[in-house]
Amino acid sequence: DGGITQSPKYLFRKEGQNVTLSCEQNLNHDAMYWYRQDPGQGLRLIYYSQIVNDFQKGDIAEGYSVSREKKESFPLTVTSAQKNPTAFYLCASIPDRGGGGYTFGSGTRLTVV
Amino acid sequence: AQSVAQPEDQVNVAEGNPLTVKCTYSVSGNPYLFWYVQYPNRGLQFLLKYITGDNLVKGSYGFEAEFNKSQTSFHLKKPSALVSDSALYFCAVILRSAGRRALTFGSGTRLQVQP
Repeated sequence: DGGITQSPKYLFRKEGQNVTLSCEQNLNHDAMYWYRQDPGQGLRLIYYSQIVNDFQKGDIAEGYSVSREKKESFPLTVTSAQKNPTAFYLCASIPDRGGGGYTFGSGTRLTVV
Repeated sequence: AQSVAQPEDQVNVAEGNPLTVKCTYSVSGNPYLFWYVQYPNRGLQFLLKYITGDNLVKGSYGFEAEFNKSQTSFHLKKPSALVSDSALYFCAVILRSAGRRALTFGSGTRLQVQP
């Protein structure tokens, strides 16, 4: 079945460490997105990519980095510059000509220990 | 700029009663509007969307929503609530002509359906 796979499901980070969250899709979708979810704040856009080898900052990009070397993959790195990284991270994708909605992965819960 | 407001953090309804989850939006143009549902520790699942045409949109699991351009609203409704409908619901908007094709989400409304 086609879908989006996020891994790991749970991730623990020590202070000062960089960690990378994986997002892979086999839907042949062009655009991919990373959102951060905090309680009571909904989803906030971190980065998005509408085509391979191109990506754009969202509303809260500071302390994060991404790459889009393959259509299927859009990994997110949470760097040590992100001061409050504990959150639920969601990856999503959409076809280029989508008037439809996103397909979401099942999320990664990141906790700083 | 585009924004979405979900004025209620939580909605409580008895099983079998009708439910409404409110959403208003602000965009400088014509919107695409969406509703998603989220169960604990899971990603969001698509419920329904308004693109164009009939203002009443029917979606998954018996949900529907009405697009009201004059009130800039897109409230989610269901005639008869089920306990299994208890979840977190998000409204989202994107401007049709947006260069940045990314959804803007509301803060979410938790729906509790009591047996």
